[in-house]
Amino acid sequence: DADVTQTPRNRITKTGKRIMLECSQTKGHDRMYWYRQDPGLGLQLIYYSFDVKDINKGEISDGYSVSRQAQAKFSLSLESAIPNQTALYFCATSDSGLGGAQETQYFGPGTRLLVL
Amino acid sequence: QQQVKQSPQSLIVQKGGISIINCAYENTAFDYFPWYQQFPGKGPALLIAIRPDVSEKKEGRFTISFNKSAKQFSLHIMDSQPGDSATYFCAASRRNYQLIWGAGTKLIIKP
Repeated sequence: DADVTQTPRNRITKTGKRIMLECSQTKGHDRMYWYRQDPGLGLQLIYYSFDVKDINKGEISDGYSVSRQAQAKFSLSLESAIPNQTALYFCATSDSGLGGAQETQYFGPGTRLLVL
Repeated sequence: QQQVKQSPQSLIVQKGGISIINCAYENTAFDYFPWYQQFPGKGPALLIAIRPDVSEKKEGRFTISFNKSAKQFSLHIMDSQPGDSATYFCAASRRNYQLIWGAGTKLIIKP
């Protein structure tokens, strides 16, 4: 987990506020992901980036935006937070350069977000 | 077609028993099936993974059984220990596509 860090770890915000969650990694991986975790729903992919210039929407991108500032940094923004965005958010990384093997995803410790 | 269905949602097993978690998929293009383990307050971490060219893979007390014709795969934890108490996620993917995750199983091992 120390190779993938997320800030803040906990955040309380109010409806309508813009907030940013940040992810940094020291693993040298080219691929980064943002997931949302809700009880009983598993992990839902918000956005993913296969390299700095390649950003793709996941299954639940509405209400979210991302920025890949560098290979090591991937930020998630909630433009106007709403209560149903209250969840646990995870950043993950993987390395595409494994010669045909599916890559393992390495997760950060998560950010617990509460929108009032 | 993209779903991975995981069951049960929760499971309680006595220490020393066998824990079994099942997953089913529809997309026959999937060619990689990992299991991730998540402890409270932590992110998920890869536990074990299998490809469809083998029917079983074992790592210590953890075994994946894979049934290609039934499009099902399962995780077996032998001699379950309290330290195995965690949430387990199955997933499936094909090369260069994102992982499709099951909903998770909360496993509790009773001492």
